[in-house]
Amino acid sequence: GDSVTQMEGPVTLSEEAFLTINCTYTATGYPSLFWYVQYPGEGLQLLLKATKADDKGSNKGFEATYRKETTSFHLEKGSVQVSDSAVYFCALGGQLTFGSGTQLTVLP
Amino acid sequence: DAGVIQSPRHEVTEMGQEVTLRCKPISGHDYLFWYRQTMMRGLELLIYFNNNVPIDDSGMPEDRFSAKMPNASFSTLKIQPSEPRDSAVYFCASSLRGPSYNEQFFGPGTRLTVL
Repeated sequence: GDSVTQMEGPVTLSEEAFLTINCTYTATGYPSLFWYVQYPGEGLQLLLKATKADDKGSNKGFEATYRKETTSFHLEKGSVQVSDSAVYFCALGGQLTFGSGTQLTVLP
Repeated sequence: DAGVIQSPRHEVTEMGQEVTLRCKPISGHDYLFWYRQTMMRGLELLIYFNNNVPIDDSGMPEDRFSAKMPNASFSTLKIQPSEPRDSAVYFCASSLRGPSYNEQFFGPGTRLTVL
């Protein structure tokens, strides 16, 4: 069945550092791919998405590109802020598969 | 729109008691999802509905769990009898169309503690 493998956390960075959170998937066909973010005490909210190969999703300075050849959808941000501290989930459309989540802490 | 509404936000109960969690999806959304989140198992899809009809309940852990959606604006998740291992945060989410392409909007969750 479909599966998502996400970079283990936690990840701790200093403010303005570069962020990469790896996500790879196994799926039948070419499902849509998503990144969700969960702030403390809240539900998940969509951060960005890509619906087909080579699409780049972007939002709030975060980016991820749908790479069919490497079955990956890595999340990147050039300069993180303290307010980006949260748990990030990679997700696969179709069978609604979520990764295990990566806790990010950004220190001032 | 107020977003997905869940109640209660926190529930503490004793083992063996019945627990009912409630959800009001965003108006006009045809799909409703129930998830459970724990440290050990992460985020698990329990069941989802399309137009009030259960489509996939393969994630429901056992017969103690049941979910209903009597109309387009209300759903319940019931646990009877509850056990300590059911302690988790339960999320309800809704989406406009199917899960393949569409964003899901999550509620704030219900934190359940079973003593």
